[in-house]
Amino acid sequence: GQNIDQPTEMTATEGAIVQINCTYQTSGFNGLFWYQQHAGEAPTFLSYNVLDGLEEKGRFSSFLSRSKGYSYLLLKELQMKDSASYLCAVRVSGNQFYFGTGTSLTVIP
Amino acid sequence: DSGVTQTPKHLITATGQRVTLRCSPRSGDLSVYWYQQSLDQGLQFLIQYYNGEERAKGNILERFSAQQFPDLHSELNLSSLELGDSALYFCASSGSRDGSYEQYFGPGTRLTVT
Repeated sequence: GQNIDQPTEMTATEGAIVQINCTYQTSGFNGLFWYQQHAGEAPTFLSYNVLDGLEEKGRFSSFLSRSKGYSYLLLKELQMKDSASYLCAVRVSGNQFYFGTGTSLTVIP
Repeated sequence: DSGVTQTPKHLITATGQRVTLRCSPRSGDLSVYWYQQSLDQGLQFLIQYYNGEERAKGNILERFSAQQFPDLHSELNLSSLELGDSALYFCASSGSRDGSYEQYFGPGTRLTVT
């Protein structure tokens, strides 16, 4: 089966850096996405990794290690508006998608 | 605003009934994805259509079906509804056939089955 694990909740301070981890056990891995979802809203795309390494996009970076089945999302210079749920999603062969249950991040002053 | 529209926003119905959820993708996007999000299971991929053809199938129940029309809008039909079908249903669109591009999610339809 497909299994994706993320921490359920995290808390971090405004202005700090936080790393949200995602581990996965899937067959036919074909890419990993990170999405942000504010309460009551739709998910919005943050990043996509298909090869090993770090992808940087402004305050957000995402890392992938396919051999370890591991990814992380790094958020720098945290702002209050970053309080949201962060979803890790794996695309597998056959073009199916599996989402983790999400990490609820709370940014405190 | 992602450019993806979904109707209705809220739907309340009884067990055993049938409902249809509608989605219009972003202009130019040929792929439409359907997801179910419930509190206990997170976001579950249901099905993908590309340019009118079914492209990929996830954990979609036999009581559920979908289609994509020539104008690219899509409908998700849910029948013989059960209490456990209560969830937020999202539609997403993408410019990619193979899922390698980001998906743009609509605002969702909240279905309550009583």
